Amino acid sequence: KQEVTQIPAALSVPEGENLVLNCSFTDSAIYNLQWFRQDPGKGLTSLLLIQSSQREQTSGRLNASLDKSSGRSTLYIAASQPGDSATYLCAVSRTSGTYKYIFGTGTRLKVLA
Amino acid sequence: DTAVSQTPKYLVTQMGNDKSIKCEQNLGHDTMYWYKQDSKKFLKIMFSYNNKELIINETVPNRFSPKSPDKAHLNLHINSLELGDSAVYFCASGQGAGYGYTFGSGTRLTVV
Repeated sequence: KQEVTQIPAALSVPEGENLVLNCSFTDSAIYNLQWFRQDPGKGLTSLLLIQSSQREQTSGRLNASLDKSSGRSTLYIAASQPGDSATYLCAVSRTSGTYKYIFGTGTRLKVLA
Repeated sequence: DTAVSQTPKYLVTQMGNDKSIKCEQNLGHDTMYWYKQDSKKFLKIMFSYNNKELIINETVPNRFSPKSPDKAHLNLHINSLELGDSAVYFCASGQGAGYGYTFGSGTRLTVV
């Protein structure tokens, strides 16, 4: 059974810092991994999608890496801004059975001005 | 032009009532999903339809019944609402295996 864990659960950093959010999963047989952002009271916004054959994806100040064999992904945020404050969720899809995403517990990020 | 839209955004109702949440996507995706986010913010899949056919039915009380009249719509009907049903319900759509999801903005259901 796939389990997805995100560490830390919460993080508070001063503006301008580079930071890393971690996601680990127990079953390495995945199709892909997707990082989402959720603002309070809002829906989920897709940030990056990494296919199982890829090592990383970049979008602006965001870089997501995937090490499938060790069951890990990291989301790197460069030069953090107060507008980055949100909950970040990773989700993995499996290759067996019906295609669906299993979500992690999320990291609540606060960037202080 | 909203890609995945849910209505209503907020729903407050009494225990025992029956309610529906509607979801529509204009992305041309074949697959739609319902997820439940509990008070601890954990997202768990409930149902999935592919081209109007039910393909995922997780361990969900049978008071919850999804309905997909066409591949662009997936509605969720809940009978005999209970306090524990209070949560945020998210609809999502995707193009199938190997593709990512697009989420709706959620429906906050409060049962009193």
